[in-house]
Amino acid sequence: DSGVTQTPKHLITATGQRVTLRCSPRSGDLSVYWYQQSLDQGLQFLIQYYNGEERAKGNILERFSAQQFPDLHSELNLSSLELGDSALYFCASSVTPGTENTEAFFGQGTRLTVV
Amino acid sequence: AQKITQTQPGMFVQEKEAVTLDCTYDTSDPSYGLFWYKQPSSGEMIFLIYQGSYDQQNATEGRYSLNFQKARKSANLVISASQLGDSAMYFCAMLGGDDKIIFGKGTRLHILP
Repeated sequence: DSGVTQTPKHLITATGQRVTLRCSPRSGDLSVYWYQQSLDQGLQFLIQYYNGEERAKGNILERFSAQQFPDLHSELNLSSLELGDSALYFCASSVTPGTENTEAFFGQGTRLTVV
Repeated sequence: AQKITQTQPGMFVQEKEAVTLDCTYDTSDPSYGLFWYKQPSSGEMIFLIYQGSYDQQNATEGRYSLNFQKARKSANLVISASQLGDSAMYFCAMLGGDDKIIFGKGTRLHILP
């Protein structure tokens, strides 16, 4: 158990819908990363938050947004869903960003299926 | 731009043999970290080992060791005495100065009995 909790584990929804994925980082970790893993794209970095502030942005679509709350949990919002959004979405947390000896631990992922 | 390259899409190895999974990286940051993760068929991502760019010695964690060759920009994962449970996807990753952790495309390792 990595200590990172993601909910829900599985999500099936229809095209055009909106979903929210939730991540609780390990106790003491201030930094949260979101990744999308699809069969053809591998692991793609989406966005990173540190202590409530957006820190780094990757290949995140405009239809997607995220935030980190004062209690440090994070939510990834996916809207106007398309079939191609079907993927495994991972959250990872670490103590601080950009620091050597920083290990990032992953949650078990949320498998999103858009039908 | 930072980049991670894993050139082996798949590998088949006999049980109990040692395995080396290749990873090369590209970065202009003087300070960075390199990671290896294991993803079994269940889908979870399991942290295996970490190497900092200024670490003098290669990282080791049990049967896992990281062969870090800074001048060559390579960070190969070595698994000694492979086991059937090592069959999984393995990802090399890098944390650079822009605070992103980027991943290679992975190597699927099959351990044969």
